[in-house]
Amino acid sequence: EVQLVESGGGVIQPGGSLRLSCVASGFTFNNYGMQWVRHAPGKGFEWVSLISGDGGGTYYADSVKGRFTISRDNSKNSLYLQLDSLRADDTALYYCAREGGHLAAFRRYYTMDVWGQGTTVIVSS
Amino acid sequence: DIQMTQSPSSLSASLGDRVTITCRASPGIRSSLNWYQHKPGKAPILLIFGASTLQSGVPTRFSGSGSGTEFTLTISSLQPDDFATYYCQQSYNTPRTFGQGTKVEMK
Repeated sequence: EVQLVESGGGVIQPGGSLRLSCVASGFTFNNYGMQWVRHAPGKGFEWVSLISGDGGGTYYADSVKGRFTISRDNSKNSLYLQLDSLRADDTALYYCAREGGHLAAFRRYYTMDVWGQGTTVIVSS
Repeated sequence: DIQMTQSPSSLSASLGDRVTITCRASPGIRSSLNWYQHKPGKAPILLIFGASTLQSGVPTRFSGSGSGTEFTLTISSLQPDDFATYYCQQSYNTPRTFGQGTKVEMK
């Protein structure tokens, strides 16, 4: 069974740091880009960051650039998100999601085709 | 960044109704548009990719259309399991961006 399981969330004071983890199973992890997406209370989804299958390419939302760092350890089938300089507006449920590459009409389309259940980050004093 | 705008933000419908949700992209994104279903406390589910291709296992009452800047998600006959919030998302470039969501509620 294809599965993603996040951990590492918690309650943290503004300015603090956390490290989120996501363990993958049921698929060849290094064949896929992976990403983090967050869902703040009462708001929609916000894409946070993406890392390529080999870890050589990383991409960030402007709202987290310079504060968050995405990484992966393919030997452990694990994805990470280091959250530094946390702010109240970083409070959200953080999901890891697999970047699926799907072929249709001779083109490849990228999706978030497998999601974990999420881990909650609350930034509050 | 590519701006995704969904409408309506919510709608009320009855079982068996045909439901249509619109998503607009600015600037255009060709066919790089995905649709997701989300229920509280659960992980989102990919419904449609490439604007119109149904993900494996998704019921055929769901369909998608459009290209460029305007897209639609249609549920042909609303079923009890379909009451949820639906999001469009562009994969044309990074940052990936989502619409603000459309909540489908029971009338």
